[in-house]
Amino acid sequence: DAKTTQPPSMDCAEGRAANLPCNHSTISGNEYVYWYRQIHSQGPQYIIHGLKNNETNEMASLIITEDRKSSTLILPHATLRDTAVYYCIVRVAGSARQLTFGSGTQLTVLP
Amino acid sequence: EAGVAQSPRYKIIEKRQSVAFWCNPISGHATLYWYQQILGQGPKLLIQFQNNGVVDDSQLPKDRFSAERLKGVDSTLKIQPAKLEDSAVYLCASSLGGQGNEKLFFGSGTQLSVL
Repeated sequence: DAKTTQPPSMDCAEGRAANLPCNHSTISGNEYVYWYRQIHSQGPQYIIHGLKNNETNEMASLIITEDRKSSTLILPHATLRDTAVYYCIVRVAGSARQLTFGSGTQLTVLP
Repeated sequence: EAGVAQSPRYKIIEKRQSVAFWCNPISGHATLYWYQQILGQGPKLLIQFQNNGVVDDSQLPKDRFSAERLKGVDSTLKIQPAKLEDSAVYLCASSLGGQGNEKLFFGSGTQLSVL
């Protein structure tokens, strides 16, 4: 599976949009981009995934560049409860292989 | 819908002792994973089961770690004997399994401290 690069930490003001970038320049055509987050003392939680089109659900939006070499997770109105480590992962859909977690981005939402 | 259940929540042992962790996945989930998460790092897969068969245990330290999934439901992860470097959170996750864009559902983990 392709590797990803994320900034180690970011801050965001409460109520503002949080934009978390991820670089995956070696992504293959059949690899999806997944985002998970991990709130302190909890297990990781699925947020969203996509292949090449932008995706939106009740938690977040995922914007994937046209060349698919990078993506951005957007939390439109960040709250204090969104403070967590966010992991960007690329993985072949339907593969029996595990998700490989990097170090992620520590997002801190400030009051 | 009940989530992935893990116990115990915390465990403190001395080095060279043995310890076991238990996981009950979401009902109907065929795939079960055990991850190890050392402080400050992302989770690392130890073993993956599909029903009661092992799919991937390439990163499981088999000289001291063992895992089983009886009847393809509950699973137990054991460490014997424990070392100081085994101090970590042990996470269990499950998914429906099979083809498709799978979501993993994680438990809250067991925090192990080896003294």
